[in-house]
Amino acid sequence: DTGVSQNPRHKITKRGQNVTFRCDPISEHNRLYWYRQTLGQGPEFLTYFQNEAQLEKSRLLSDRFSAERPKGSFSTLEIQRTEQGDSAMYLCASSVQGTASGANVLTFGAGSRLTVL
Amino acid sequence: GQNIDQPTEMTATEGAIVQINCTYQTSGFNGLFWYQQHAGEAPTFLSYNVLDGLEEKGRFSSFLSRSKGYSYLLLKELQMKDSASYLCAVLDSNYQLIWGAGTKLIIKP
Repeated sequence: DTGVSQNPRHKITKRGQNVTFRCDPISEHNRLYWYRQTLGQGPEFLTYFQNEAQLEKSRLLSDRFSAERPKGSFSTLEIQRTEQGDSAMYLCASSVQGTASGANVLTFGAGSRLTVL
Repeated sequence: GQNIDQPTEMTATEGAIVQINCTYQTSGFNGLFWYQQHAGEAPTFLSYNVLDGLEEKGRFSSFLSRSKGYSYLLLKELQMKDSASYLCAVLDSNYQLIWGAGTKLIIKP
């Protein structure tokens, strides 16, 4: 298993353009998360899937952001009409649904760094 | 609101011991995680505490006091490769992870 894979690793775009990131989780993991991280901050939750169902979406996520996981395997995160404030590292993580105690260790991908000019 | 507090930055000497503290105020508690993140890389899992006490794992140990809303990560025999950010995260009552901003640890020779 190669772990969680994200691409592209880096994306530079002009304001107003659309971008799409892809995440391939660990194959036996049924949960997939998207986070955003800026320099000197912890990860900020965006959304998560259990299998193909999107179970939660952050209130901070504007309608320009959309995520899909059509077959319960890979996921895409699309940002439409990008703004300079969208510049950040977009992290994907996957996990197996935890035990009753709630332990749910996330395995992160290396991230996709977005720069909006 | 929910809040996780950690020092922004700490400096320590190679071979020494350092303790990184984390205090939290969350709606419910279902465990606390510590992750390590090297610059430009993904966070990697270090430890998970759900019961009070100390969990030891090699050079790293993590402590939890639920009544005080407090945890620390203890790193012994520091090595230069330990220079990284250390993120504290709490699983709240909705099993949502609440993250701290991280503590940047600088190791000097």
